[in-house]
Amino acid sequence: QKEVEQNSGPLSVPEGAIASLNCTYSDRVSQSFFWYRQYSGKSPELIMSIYSNGDKEDGRFTAQLNKASQYVSLLIRDSQPSDSATYLCAVTAYGNNRLAFGKGNQVVVIP
Amino acid sequence: DAEITQSPRHKITETGRQVTLACHQTWNHNNMFWYRQDLGHGLRLIHYSYGVQDTNKGEVSDGYSVSRSNTEDLPLTLESAASSQTSVYFCASGQAGDRLDEQFFGPGTRLTVL
Repeated sequence: QKEVEQNSGPLSVPEGAIASLNCTYSDRVSQSFFWYRQYSGKSPELIMSIYSNGDKEDGRFTAQLNKASQYVSLLIRDSQPSDSATYLCAVTAYGNNRLAFGKGNQVVVIP
Repeated sequence: DAEITQSPRHKITETGRQVTLACHQTWNHNNMFWYRQDLGHGLRLIHYSYGVQDTNKGEVSDGYSVSRSNTEDLPLTLESAASSQTSVYFCASGQAGDRLDEQFFGPGTRLTVL
């Protein structure tokens, strides 16, 4: 059974600052890593996928993966009020397409 | 545009009734999944399917069943609804392949069992 852990508690950041979210996972064979954004009352939306160690940038989002430490993070640069949401970390083992989710981190961007 | 839809979006039912939640995707994905989301538990996998006639149990499958008769649909049935099954249900689909594994979610169904 995979276990995905995310920091507890909401994260409040001022507008324009960097929001940093962390996720650890227990299954060493996990190969695919994802970050989903979920607005209140809405469904999860895939915002980042990462498969190799290192950084992956997409607009204001950067995902960082360290398989040796079993750690994946998400940075949101120049945070905007529209970034206020819950961010879910998900991991899967290679090829089986089953996701295990963390419980999520709520981000609140303060104008 | 390809999409994944769920119906109904909201449902209120009584304990003991059979309920079926529909999920339809036009992505032509082989893989389809049902999750439930509850406060304090996050998203948990109920059932999943890798193709027509294939179904598998997830971590919280008791009291639920699915069937896959075509690529597009994976209906979720609650055999005898219980109050513990009050939740938000999400269907997702994805196409396994080399380092893909991405899943895309439907809008969700909010189910209340009284």
